Amino acid sequence: EVQLVESGGGLVQPGRSLRLSCTASGFTFGDYAMSWVRQAPGKGLEWVGFIRSKAYGGTTEYAASVKGRFTISRDDSKSIAYLQMNSLKTEDTAVYYCTREGLVTVNFDYWGQGTLVTVSS
Amino acid sequence: QSALTQPASVSGSPGQSITISCTGTSSDVGSYNLVSWYQQHPGKAPKLMIYEGSKRPSGVSNRFSGSKSGNTASLTISGLQAEDEADYYCCSYAGSSTYWVFGGGTKLTVL
Repeated sequence: EVQLVESGGGLVQPGRSLRLSCTASGFTFGDYAMSWVRQAPGKGLEWVGFIRSKAYGGTTEYAASVKGRFTISRDDSKSIAYLQMNSLKTEDTAVYYCTREGLVTVNFDYWGQGTLVTVSS
Repeated sequence: QSALTQPASVSGSPGQSITISCTGTSSDVGSYNLVSWYQQHPGKAPKLMIYEGSKRPSGVSNRFSGSKSGNTASLTISGLQAEDEADYYCCSYAGSSTYWVFGGGTKLTVL
């Protein structure tokens, strides 16, 4: 059974940093691209960024709203994806979901339960 | 403001059919047959319901179907059931600079 479990959320002051983790199980983690999607309280979904599998260079792409502040990385030996968030702003307050991208299909086929990040002084 | 436009709410009675629209542009929905739809119940994570415009993942009821015409994608739910009451989001690939854009979400109420 595919499982994605996010951790690391919490309350952080504006301008500070936070790192989220996504621990995967039930599939060969290294074969898949992984994305982060966020949802501000009472709002819709927003794609944050993704990291390709090593087979495709392990490179990353980001939404304009977080580019230069957020960094996605992965440790295939531990089946973990990370989201490093720097220079946090109040508008980054959201539930952050880790998602798996389809291997041969174009979609976000599995989602974690999400972790809440609150940016406030 | 979301990149894709969805109605804020739709409603229907049990057994009826409803359609949720998702309007984008020629840079996203209109250029790629890569629209997916996600169902989200309150307090839960989104669940993939339709991908690549009209394909259903294993385990998703065939009451859910997707289509596209021009810059607008649609999700149709037939034979509405109480458990279909949820928020629904569309998502489209938007090219290799923007990548993924979501709609603002549609709240489905089963009367």
